[in-house]
Parts: sequence; structure tokens; C-alpha cells
Amino acid sequence: TQLLEQSPQFLSIQEGENLTVYCNSSSVFSSLQWYRQEPGEGPVLLVTVVTGGEVKKLKRLTFQFGDARKDSSLHITAAQPGDTGLYLCAGVNNDMRFGAGTRLTVKP
Amino acid sequence: NAGVTQTPKFQVLKTGQSMTLQCAQDMNHNSMYWYRQDPGMGLRLIYYSASEGTTDKGEVPNGYNVSRLNKREFSLRLESAAPSQTSVYFCASSRFGSQTANTGELFFGEGSRLTVL
Repeated sequence: TQLLEQSPQFLSIQEGENLTVYCNSSSVFSSLQWYRQEPGEGPVLLVTVVTGGEVKKLKRLTFQFGDARKDSSLHITAAQPGDTGLYLCAGVNNDMRFGAGTRLTVKP
Repeated sequence: NAGVTQTPKFQVLKTGQSMTLQCAQDMNHNSMYWYRQDPGMGLRLIYYSASEGTTDKGEVPNGYNVSRLNKREFSLRLESAAPSQTSVYFCASSRFGSQTANTGELFFGEGSRLTVL
């Protein structure tokens, strides 16, 4: 059983569509990170959220940390093929645990 | 800029063989980590080194050993490889000195794909 559950596991959409992926847990985290991993490469940090209810924007990407600091979401507006990749969330408490990821494919 | 460099990128072993995965970082980071990534399982921590001279077990340490050779280098050794160790292995580093205090960024290498037959 994963400490962090990410959904959906797979998502395939057309360029220009909007999407939201989720990262849920029953545990409270002191912070949560989102990474993107492209094929054949290591994950790269997108954002860290620390405060419950926090919203951070990175161009077309909007990250939200739940009020109770147990869950997070990533919303992408007008997805582009360059957004294709595996999106991983990682919860930080006494240690750092990763979810299994959402594999996003954006078709031109 | 090299960042985190792992070697080899690909390796095929037979059951029972041994091998060492090498990792080096040039960012003067204190902490280094070894993860394995399996489909549907996410990244799982094998071992980490909060600072030069210290190593600690992570979530899945069985069957592995590590050496923090110096501040730059952190190696992972499989003494007797098993098919269950078939995976993609990632080395990472971070500026902060403790896994438990790490709220900063992890910098990952490109991964080493290991197949054990």
C-alpha cells in the first residue's frame, strides 16, 4: 500500500486541454514536493508547498496543498506536448515518501 | 554542468553476480541518496548518507550495501544479485544534511537500468 496515492495512474489528452492530477494520503506532511520525470531521465523538482491551503503557480501549472496538509493537486491549463512525462509527488515528514506517479501523455 | 553522474547506465547481471553502481555529484551537497524505481511502486529509498562519513538504511535496504567514499561520491553495491533487484536505480543529492530535515530539492542522476537474469 502506497503512503501517497496518485490518480489517475495514466492520462492521455489532446493538446490544449486542461487536466488535474491528485496526490492523496491519510498522513499529514510538513511539506510536499512535485517532480516531473521524462523518459530516460531522473525526476526534476517543479515546486515545494509548505503551508496548508497554499497555492503556487508556475506558468500554466497550478499546485495546491490541502488545508489539512494531507493532499495536493496539480492543474495544467492548455496542456502542450512538452508537458508529457511522469508526475511524482513526494511527502516530507520524518522522511520523504514518493507516490507512484501519474503518467501524462499530451498528443499534438 | 554535470550535476549528478551515475555509471553504468545499463547493466545485465546473472543471479549471484556482484556489481557496484557509482555516483558522483559536483554541487558540494552534503546529503546523497540511492533510490530504486519500479513500475507502480514509485521511488523507494534504499540507503542515504546525510553527510560524509555517515550512512543509514532507507525503506528497502536488504541486499544492498553503500559506501560514502568522500563528499562527492556515494556507491551502491549488490553483493549477490537477485532477479527481484531488477530495477532502475537513481542516485540523488541535496544541500541539506539530513533526510529528516530535507525540505529542499533533490537533484537526481539519469538512472542506471539493471537487469538480473
